[in-house]
Amino acid sequence: AQSVTQPDIHITVSEGASLELRCNYSYGATPYLFWYVQSPGQGLQLLLKYFSGDTLVQGIKGFEAEFKRSQSSFNLRKPSVHWSDAAEYFCALGLDTGRRALTFGSGTRLQVQP
Amino acid sequence: GAVVSQHPSRVICKSGTSVKIECRSLDFQATTMFWYRQFPKKSLMLMATSNEGSKATYEQGVEKDKFLINHASLTLSTLTVTSAHPEDSSFYICSAPAIYRGSTEAFFGQGTRLTVV
Repeated sequence: AQSVTQPDIHITVSEGASLELRCNYSYGATPYLFWYVQSPGQGLQLLLKYFSGDTLVQGIKGFEAEFKRSQSSFNLRKPSVHWSDAAEYFCALGLDTGRRALTFGSGTRLQVQP
Repeated sequence: GAVVSQHPSRVICKSGTSVKIECRSLDFQATTMFWYRQFPKKSLMLMATSNEGSKATYEQGVEKDKFLINHASLTLSTLTVTSAHPEDSSFYICSAPAIYRGSTEAFFGQGTRLTVV
């Protein structure tokens, strides 16, 4: 069975600093990978996704993620964090592009200090 | 992208009562919808898959008699928490797959915060 691990439960960064959120997955084939952001009490917003091709994917709000097959990782990055980026971030794995349910990591809560 | 609307966003109910949560696809038809549950500070766990015109498929450990799912039309799935207890308090989110930019993508509702007192 597939699984997703987000090792960091909580991360605090200063506004303007760079950010990297870690995500590792376990799956026997090429996965479909997603990053979602959730603001308090809200639903999920898709930041970016990897299906195939270029391993560096660009998303919304200045985020990017790199798929590394050798490390089974799909880390999310942003060069300069804004206070509005404070939220919960979920990495997810799908067996296809979205027709079936996703498997989520446990999430990383990002706090941004002024 | 496609829009999935979930209602209500928040509900407080007394123990023993039932609560119905609606999930609607506003601009597309959804033969399948997924219901997830999110415990505080935890990830989203798939509860069940809702199938239009047929019975829902429940994940292991989810009580089908407690969490009734009905998918009566191509745009509406409902989750009814029956005889709710405080331990049912949680954040429930639905999602539906839709074609977007040439591929199928999952779209999520806004979620429902259920508090059972």
